Amino acid sequence: EVQLVESGGGLVQPGGSLRLFCAGSGFTLSSYWMYWVRQVPGKGLEWVSGVNSDGSSTTYAESVKGRFTISRDNAKNTLYLQMNSLRAEDTAVYYCARVLAGGYDSAIDSWGQGTLVTVSS
Amino acid sequence: VLTQSPDFQSVTPNEKVTITCRASESIGGVLHWYQQKSGQSPKLLIKFASQSMPGVPSRFSGSGSGTDFTLTINSLEAEDAAAYYCHQSRSLPITFGQGTRLEIK
Repeated sequence: EVQLVESGGGLVQPGGSLRLFCAGSGFTLSSYWMYWVRQVPGKGLEWVSGVNSDGSSTTYAESVKGRFTISRDNAKNTLYLQMNSLRAEDTAVYYCARVLAGGYDSAIDSWGQGTLVTVSS
Repeated sequence: VLTQSPDFQSVTPNEKVTITCRASESIGGVLHWYQQKSGQSPKLLIKFASQSMPGVPSRFSGSGSGTDFTLTINSLEAEDAAAYYCHQSRSLPITFGQGTRLEIK
């Protein structure tokens, strides 16, 4: 069974940093593009970042470009999101998501349960 | 930009529901639909506009291409109460529609 488990969320002050983790199991992470998608509680979904299967290509939403860094360690079946210079508007549940086989231009077939990031003083 | 309509709909069981998703530019057929129940992660229903995922009830179907897409739920059931999102991956940045919330009367 495919599973994605996020961790690393929590309360952080504006301007602070946080690193999110996503552990994959039941499949080989190295075969898939992966995304981070976030959702303000009660609101819609917002794509944050994506990384190709070997980590050589990354892409970001304008809202996080220059502040967030996506990476992966395929040997550990783990995806990361380093978040720096956090703002109140980054407060959301962050989901790790697997893209169906192929490139980035496919659907998301698996989602983690999400980890809540709260940016507040 | 993806624009869904309606934002909210209150419907009765056995009713037919149509949710539309309009793209600001042509995305071919690279449009997917998700269902998100309260407190849960999203679930993929339809990929590439019209391809149903295994295990998804047959009352869910998708159609469309270019800029206009539709998710249809035939004979709505109480368990279909959820938010529904469209998603385009034709080009970066990846975008989602704002969501449509279905309430069952």
